[in-house]
Amino acid sequence: RKEVEQDPGPFNVPEGATVAFNCTYSNSASQSFFWYRQDCRKEPKLLMSVYSSGNEDGRFTAQLNRASQYISLLIRDSKLSDSATYLCVVNNSPTGRRALTFGSGTRLQVQP
Amino acid sequence: DTAVSQTPKYLVTQMGNDKSIKCEQNLGHDTMYWYKQDSKKFLKIMFSYNNKELIINETVPNRFSPKSPDKAHLNLHINSLELGDSAVYFCASSFSTSGDVKQYFGPGTRLTVT
Repeated sequence: RKEVEQDPGPFNVPEGATVAFNCTYSNSASQSFFWYRQDCRKEPKLLMSVYSSGNEDGRFTAQLNRASQYISLLIRDSKLSDSATYLCVVNNSPTGRRALTFGSGTRLQVQP
Repeated sequence: DTAVSQTPKYLVTQMGNDKSIKCEQNLGHDTMYWYKQDSKKFLKIMFSYNNKELIINETVPNRFSPKSPDKAHLNLHINSLELGDSAVYFCASSFSTSGDVKQYFGPGTRLTVT
């Protein structure tokens, strides 16, 4: 089983739609959680951290369910510029190591 | 005013050659990383240095040797390149003391081995 699993998509949605991505992780001791965004042939960029209480940044809402080991990202009012691959990322950080474990990404295509 | 920079951006070379990729960050971070992203877009950690000390060394062939001359620089040297080494290599950096471990990535080096 992969450490971080995501539906690869693609998710094809019209502009203005609401879209949700899910992610599951296998290590119950995981410490912190993130969503990164990667545009085609570019580097991953941090979109937002994910907190147990849930958090929002503009049109983006992230949720974490530790009991189910499940992370979600909701994008409201999708824009063309939201088209990218969204990477679910987990920090397991055993004994002070700080490597991030990346999911393989969910591709979003927002259409006019 | 690039935060994490890598050189070269593209590298095309033949099997058996030795090549190096360089990374520099001006964010004042104390930890730097090398990741490999293969053709299936899966991003995987290779190495990590904290204050010039190697702290993560994943299962990577010993043809790959990282070097950190100071905490702002992390280089990757690859000996005897093989076809399977073709990938995009990303450098990243972060603070080690931050509980949140946010990492910032360089633009990547696209390595093609022919």
